[in-house]
Amino acid sequence: LAKTTQPISMDSYEGQEVNITCSHNNIATNDYITWYQQFPSQGPRFIIQGYKTKVTNEVASLFIPADRKSSTLSLPRVSLSDTAVYYCLVGALNNDMRFGAGTRLTVKP
Amino acid sequence: GAGVSQTPSNKVTEKGKYVELRCDPISGHTALYWYRQSLGQGPEFLIYFQGTGAADDSGLPNDRFFAVRPEGSVSTLKIQRTERGDSAVYLCASSLTLGKAGGPTDTQYFGPGTRLTVL
Repeated sequence: LAKTTQPISMDSYEGQEVNITCSHNNIATNDYITWYQQFPSQGPRFIIQGYKTKVTNEVASLFIPADRKSSTLSLPRVSLSDTAVYYCLVGALNNDMRFGAGTRLTVKP
Repeated sequence: GAGVSQTPSNKVTEKGKYVELRCDPISGHTALYWYRQSLGQGPEFLIYFQGTGAADDSGLPNDRFFAVRPEGSVSTLKIQRTERGDSAVYLCASSLTLGKAGGPTDTQYFGPGTRLTVL
């Protein structure tokens, strides 16, 4: 199972772009990188998934360098409602993936 | 459509009692997962089902924990002789499949969780 490392916490201000980097040095060839978001008193929610290069959806972008040993979740122009815990998971199948402690993002006014 | 539901939303019990936590996955989802989340920690994997069978129960902490999914839909997590250390939020998730070998994994949809407090 690929191990991931993320910063414990980050602070930002409304309107800024936030980048959260995850390290996964032992990622396997078939592993995908998936990010989830969790608000207090709710279950995690899927944000974005990618294998290589760049993936963008209506919520975020995911940047993955060629060696795939890290990935960066980018949240454009964050608002107070983006305050949450963000988890990076790596695996080939859902049963491979494990949640770490995540990154607690606090957006300030 | 309806998401994953879990009942009860809160459960308070006394040390040594037996509890059952229920999960109703999204209709048609073959894979179902149970996690446990303690305050300030990420969800900890307990067990997952592919259809009716427990395909991986390696995360269950000990033999007091057991889960079933008899008809491949609703699942029940059972905890015997509860201990204070079992207090946590128990999350259930479901996905259409586990994903495809060599392809992306399927999104896991989580329920709101059951908050278990053992006094």
